[in-house]
Amino acid sequence: GAVVSQHPSRVICKSGTSVKIECRSLDFQATTMFWYRQFPKQSLMLMATSNEGSKATYEQGVEKDKFLINHASLTLSTLTVTSAHPEDSSFYICSGVGRATDTQYFGPGTRLTVL
Amino acid sequence: AQSVTQLGSHVSVSEGALVLLRCNYSSSVPPYLFWYVQYPNQGLQLLLKYTSAATLVKGINGFEAEFKKSETSFHLTKPSAHMSDAAEYFCAVTTGGGNKLTFGTGTQLKVEL
Repeated sequence: GAVVSQHPSRVICKSGTSVKIECRSLDFQATTMFWYRQFPKQSLMLMATSNEGSKATYEQGVEKDKFLINHASLTLSTLTVTSAHPEDSSFYICSGVGRATDTQYFGPGTRLTVL
Repeated sequence: AQSVTQLGSHVSVSEGALVLLRCNYSSSVPPYLFWYVQYPNQGLQLLLKYTSAATLVKGINGFEAEFKKSETSFHLTKPSAHMSDAAEYFCAVTTGGGNKLTFGTGTQLKVEL
């Protein structure tokens, strides 16, 4: 149980374009979802927290207009990287927490490469 | 405020040897503690968690960890390393369900023949 999927697993885009990443909780309802960014050989950096039906809460230094997060249902959250630039290239990982759990379950990650 | 310190960014053990990955935490309230494993280009998989029940926690793949309040530690151990254990391990702390996790910087475990 507690499976989280992400799509796509890998995406390459041109600078200036926007990219949408989906995060789905497959067998539980994720009341809260988190989005992380991970640089090579580094730890996870929390970007934002989203609760279903509410606006996301962004961590300090994360541009909310650049990283748009939507959590429209209890099983789906999306991260849209707008006007992507090469410095946005990274590994993006989402996680979900259900009502009756204290554990974050992580998706497999999305590798974004901006050319 | 909460924080996690993982001592040793790289640990190397021989196959069959004891694995010990260190984690110390700081938290102003009783913590929930987690160990996650990450294989290359993959997300994080939960190994085990401590949430104020038994202090010795057993997880998947033969791993276990002991919560020691007096030492503010939550070290991860495995009696006998396998080649398949080679991965990045992250310790994390939170103060409650649905709250933000604070991760350590990770420990890369290498298992040698």
